[in-house]
Amino acid sequence: ILNVEQSPQSLHVQEGDSTNFTCSFPSSNFYALHWYRWETAKSPEALFVMTLNGDEKKKGRISATLNTKEGYSYLYIKGSQPEDSATYLCAQDDQTGANNLFFGTGTRLTVIP
Amino acid sequence: SAVISQKPSRDICQRGTSLTIQCQVDSQVTMMFWYRQQPGQSLTLIATANQGSEATYESGFVIDKFPISRPNLTFSTLTVSNMSPEDSSIYLCSAFAGAETQYFGPGTRLLVL
Repeated sequence: ILNVEQSPQSLHVQEGDSTNFTCSFPSSNFYALHWYRWETAKSPEALFVMTLNGDEKKKGRISATLNTKEGYSYLYIKGSQPEDSATYLCAQDDQTGANNLFFGTGTRLTVIP
Repeated sequence: SAVISQKPSRDICQRGTSLTIQCQVDSQVTMMFWYRQQPGQSLTLIATANQGSEATYESGFVIDKFPISRPNLTFSTLTVSNMSPEDSSIYLCSAFAGAETQYFGPGTRLLVL
């Protein structure tokens, strides 16, 4: 079992503000880190799969960085919009052959119009 | 990518009863996964379901409580047996569809009274 932690637990920002949150994970035997966006009553949507130390990935206004040596990843949202309101989950893949994902509890983002 | 659907989307059940959740994938996949998210907790893997073999359960989950079927490469069911209020959770199924991305269904929201 991998202990994945996310902070903050929840966040309220004004429309147009930029924001970021953190995912911490065990740095030993790292394989991959996943970010998902989960809107209520919808399927969690895959945002990024990150594998290399120093990786930076971008999808529109959302980007993520990865530091495998110190065991953290940041997710950034530039110019938040109300449609960005969701729970953002990170998960570490332990690659034990079954592709088990170990999730954090998520950061719930609310963007206020 | 893969589109995954689940039925039912939500249910309210009495303690002591059982509920079977269905998961349908729009393409053939080798492994399907069942997760649970209890209130305030992280998504936790219950079991991995392979077609033609018994499901593999994670620590803390047993077949008598969560029997799983996997009759073909696009379908699986999870039964929550002899339910108690502690089983109130969101149950999600997922599958890999190429590369390293795991796709999820929209979840089944279960409330046990």
